[in-house]
Amino acid sequence: GAVVSQHPSRVICKSGTSVKIECRSLDFQATTMFWYRQFPKQSLMLMATSNEGSKATYEQGVEKDKFLINHASLTLSTLTVTSAHPEDSSFYICSARDQGRTNEQFFGPGTRLTVL
Amino acid sequence: AQSVTQLGSHVSVSEGALVLLRCNYSSSVPPYLFWYVQYPNQGLQLLLKYTTGATLVKGINGFEAEFKKSETSFHLTKPSAHMSDAAEYFCAVIWGGSNYKLTFGKGTLLTVNP
Repeated sequence: GAVVSQHPSRVICKSGTSVKIECRSLDFQATTMFWYRQFPKQSLMLMATSNEGSKATYEQGVEKDKFLINHASLTLSTLTVTSAHPEDSSFYICSARDQGRTNEQFFGPGTRLTVL
Repeated sequence: AQSVTQLGSHVSVSEGALVLLRCNYSSSVPPYLFWYVQYPNQGLQLLLKYTTGATLVKGINGFEAEFKKSETSFHLTKPSAHMSDAAEYFCAVIWGGSNYKLTFGKGTLLTVNP
């Protein structure tokens, strides 16, 4: 139980294009999902908290118009990187909080984004 | 400011030796504490967590950690390292009132030498 998937696992795109990353909780409902960014050999930095049916809450310094988050259902959140640039290249990881296990987050396998 | 500190960005041990990865937090109020492991190009897997109750917590793969309030620490240990333990380890906390947001330490890369 408590499996979180991400799609795609790897994506390469041209500068200026937009990329959508999906995060799904496969066997539980998640009212809250989190999006992290991880640079090589560094820790995870929280970008935003995604709440089902409401607007995401962004961390300080994260551009909400660049990183669009939609949490339309209890099992799906999406992160869209708009007008991507090479500096957006990173490893993006989502996590989902199981309503039944409030203190634990389950992580997806991550998405490697490379912007050329 | 509240923070999570992992001493040692890189720890190297021999196979069969004791593994000790250090984690300290700065807060007068104990947070919820977690240890995660990350293998290359993968997401995070929970090793163990402390919320309440017994301060010695046992996790998966033979790891355990002890919450010491007086030392504001939550060090991760394993009696005997295995080659498969080589990975990045992250200590993380959920502060009270943070709406369940995890704050991560900078991570410790564990290498295991044959």
